[in-house]
Amino acid sequence: DTEVTQTPKHLVMGMTNKKSLKCEQHMGHRAMYWYKQKAKKPPELMFVYSYEKLSINESVPSRFSPECPNSSLLNLHLHALQPEDSALYLCASSQRGLAGGSADTQYFGPGTRLTVL
Amino acid sequence: AQTVTQSQPEMSVQEAETVTLSCTYDTSESDYYLFWYKQPPSRQMILVIRQEAYKQQNATENRFSVNFQKAAKSFSLKISDSQLGDAAMYFCAYWEKGAQKLVFGQGTRLTINP
Repeated sequence: DTEVTQTPKHLVMGMTNKKSLKCEQHMGHRAMYWYKQKAKKPPELMFVYSYEKLSINESVPSRFSPECPNSSLLNLHLHALQPEDSALYLCASSQRGLAGGSADTQYFGPGTRLTVL
Repeated sequence: AQTVTQSQPEMSVQEAETVTLSCTYDTSESDYYLFWYKQPPSRQMILVIRQEAYKQQNATENRFSVNFQKAAKSFSLKISDSQLGDAAMYFCAYWEKGAQKLVFGQGTRLTINP
């Protein structure tokens, strides 16, 4: 089973709200990723967790705060977002952690469509 | 940094025909990985095919195959017997070993005409 689940599917929030996106996988994968995807564009990497530790932060604004409570779960906490943050947020996971530079296949979730008003 | 170029923003093909999507990349590395991902309107990115650069044999997955030309830094995707369900945005991606991340092309939107 190569399933990554994400909740919610859609989220509308105001600029003063605090919300969280959730991603879950039960494949025993040790690396998890957050991507942001604007319409008609490729995904842009935001964060990578490897063995539950933040390994890569692509200079993302602090209004996005990732969290990896355990090896199966990845959250993205949102606070004081801007309308330009409206996008599709994709989560992915891969089997091994980021070690040795080998390229594990990433399996993606269906995404959360975020609208910031 | 490595770059991935997909020169065809949109393509269309008749159902049951064959179509080829092009992808070129720029790298100075000798050992790397290449991927094709499909993103249908349902939004989920789905792995289509993966190629290791050290393997000379082109990867195939059922109706999907690649033409990997390492010297030319070209990685095209051929879809045979196109089906309506193949309609999607197709992204070519390169695994950047140093930064340990996927670098995506801009995508090709494929339409299947019945």
